[in-house]
Amino acid sequence: AQKITQTQPGMFVQEKEAVTLDCTYDTSDQSYGLFWYKQPSSGEMIFLIYQGSYDEQNATEGRYSLNFQKARKSANLVISASQLGDSAMYFCAMRVFSSGSARQLTFGSGTQLTVLP
Amino acid sequence: GAVVSQHPSRVICKSGTSVKIECRSLDFQATTMFWYRQFPKQSLMLMATSNEGSKATYEQGVEKDKFLINHASLTLSTLTVTSAHPEDSSFYICSAPLLMRGNEQFFGPGTRLTVL
Repeated sequence: AQKITQTQPGMFVQEKEAVTLDCTYDTSDQSYGLFWYKQPSSGEMIFLIYQGSYDEQNATEGRYSLNFQKARKSANLVISASQLGDSAMYFCAMRVFSSGSARQLTFGSGTQLTVLP
Repeated sequence: GAVVSQHPSRVICKSGTSVKIECRSLDFQATTMFWYRQFPKQSLMLMATSNEGSKATYEQGVEKDKFLINHASLTLSTLTVTSAHPEDSSFYICSAPLLMRGNEQFFGPGTRLTVL
């Protein structure tokens, strides 16, 4: 079974500063993918960034980067130059690719990020 | 990018009635769709996996007779909450995987169900 842990229920960051949202995972599978989603108050799930377990470089997407440390089983999200519109709930998620595995995502408990003006 | 729609976006119903929620993949085919439930301030919890042309697979603790799932075509899955009760009030979100970049999943906008 897979497990995702997000230990920060809430985070505050000053506008234009960088912030790191923590995520650790647990799986016995060697092939897996890690995702970060943003969920604003409207409820929609917005895909931010993806990291495959065999990717050698950390993923980056604009202001988002994923600090992937495989040995420590962590996949922290770094948001640079925070904007007021970044205020939302952020979920870390994982799926495994082992033969016969289902394709659903396992989600962490989420981190509520508030960007302060 | 791929788009998944859900209808209705909000529904308020009386206790004891049934509510149907539709999930459609608009520009791609989805042999599998996932239904999640999210209570306020909590994470998404997988309820069931909807499989086109076959029975849905339910997660432990989810009543299959209460949450009926039908995946009649490659672009449509429906979730029917039968005999809804106030404790069924929640945010229901569907998703469909796409065979690209690790089977990234595209989520519908969600349906907020309130049972009075």
